Amino acid sequence: DTGVSQNPRHKITKRGQNVTFRCDPISEHNRLYWYRQTLGQGPEFLTYFQNEAQLEKSRLLSDRFSAERPKGSFSTLEIQRTEQGDSAMYLCASSLVGGPEAFFGQGTRLTVV
Amino acid sequence: SQQGEEDPQALSIQEGENATMNCSYKTSINNLQWYRQNSGRGLVHLILIRSNEREKHSGRLRVTLDTSKKSSSLLITASRAADTASYFCATSFDSWGKLQFGAGTQVVVTP
Repeated sequence: DTGVSQNPRHKITKRGQNVTFRCDPISEHNRLYWYRQTLGQGPEFLTYFQNEAQLEKSRLLSDRFSAERPKGSFSTLEIQRTEQGDSAMYLCASSLVGGPEAFFGQGTRLTVV
Repeated sequence: SQQGEEDPQALSIQEGENATMNCSYKTSINNLQWYRQNSGRGLVHLILIRSNEREKHSGRLRVTLDTSKKSSSLLITASRAADTASYFCATSFDSWGKLQFGAGTQVVVTP
């Protein structure tokens, strides 16, 4: 499968715990995006990388959130001290620079109990 | 805050009928894209229309764009049960791939 891959698909965690999600983009894509989607809403932009550089972060990305893309390939999104409001689907997408079409992964559904 | 608003929020039709949904947005755009999302899954890109285009077709899909009204419409012709999904419009104004989504239209196609 050469699409965008996200792991895990589902995560249940207790409030206050840290969680980390992984995204493997399409191999030749140099842009990688993270979005968050809550029930009944469209995805909201969180952050994006071009190669290993994080170029933009949304105000939605509080200090408890950190994203990395250390070698310009896969990316991780970590949420520290999770809160119930963090429960959502976290979507990763990738694209080519100059390519308007973003390809999305299946998402990681986070439930904070 | 979300850039686009889809209308209607929900749509129920029978197989073979056409489905039309609309999207309005607030600021100038470079392009507008439509995505489909099956329940609890990732998004699938359907079609892109650039700001200098007025209409595009792809298979059973027809998209129009009216930049003066800041609105777009998606028409699915001869709908099938497999078209049951949520449909989102997404706009991009400066960064390719950075998208702002609306809240979506839930489409149910019954056999």
